[in-house]
Amino acid sequence: RKEVEQDPGPFNVPEGATVAFNCTYSNSASQSFFWYRQDCRKEPKLLMSVYSSGNEDGRFTAQLNRASQYISLLIRDSKLSDSATYLCVVNPISNFGNEKLTFGTGTRLTIIP
Amino acid sequence: ETGVTQTPRHLVMGMTNKKSLKCEQHLGHNAMYWYKQSAKKPLELMFVYSLEERVENNSVPSRFSPECPNSSHLFLHLHTLQPEDSALYLCASSQGRVGYGYTFGSGTRLTVV
Repeated sequence: RKEVEQDPGPFNVPEGATVAFNCTYSNSASQSFFWYRQDCRKEPKLLMSVYSSGNEDGRFTAQLNRASQYISLLIRDSKLSDSATYLCVVNPISNFGNEKLTFGTGTRLTIIP
Repeated sequence: ETGVTQTPRHLVMGMTNKKSLKCEQHLGHNAMYWYKQSAKKPLELMFVYSLEERVENNSVPSRFSPECPNSSHLFLHLHTLQPEDSALYLCASSQGRVGYGYTFGSGTRLTVV
């Protein structure tokens, strides 16, 4: 089983729609969780951290289910600018107190006008 | 300059060449990382430095040689590379504490001919 598994997509979604991605992780001892966004030929950028209680940032909502070992990202009222690859990211262990992040392959999202 | 700066942005090198990638972070972080991103694969962790000490070498071939002279600078020295080493090489830094994620540089797109 891969450490972090995502549906690669592509997801082609009309503008204004709601879209959700899930991601599963294999290590139940994982400590921190994130969603990163990567535009074509650019570096990944932190979109949001994911907390056990769930968290929201504008149109974006992230959820963590530790029992089932999955993370979700919900995007409401999608915009053309949301088109990107969304990377699910997990810190499986604490290594010398540092983050050592493991990345999924990403889910490609295209918002259609 | 703010954030994480990588140079060069693009590099084409022959298999017998020697070149170096440079990364500089202006965030006061104390951990730095090299990742490799190949097409349709997740980001692969190569090296981790914490407070200028290498704390992880993820079974990377010896033709890749990292150097961290201080907490703000990280280099990746390249020699006798293979065409399959062509990829996007990303530098990242972090605060060195779990839960804060990374900040990435814009990457060096390397082509080995």
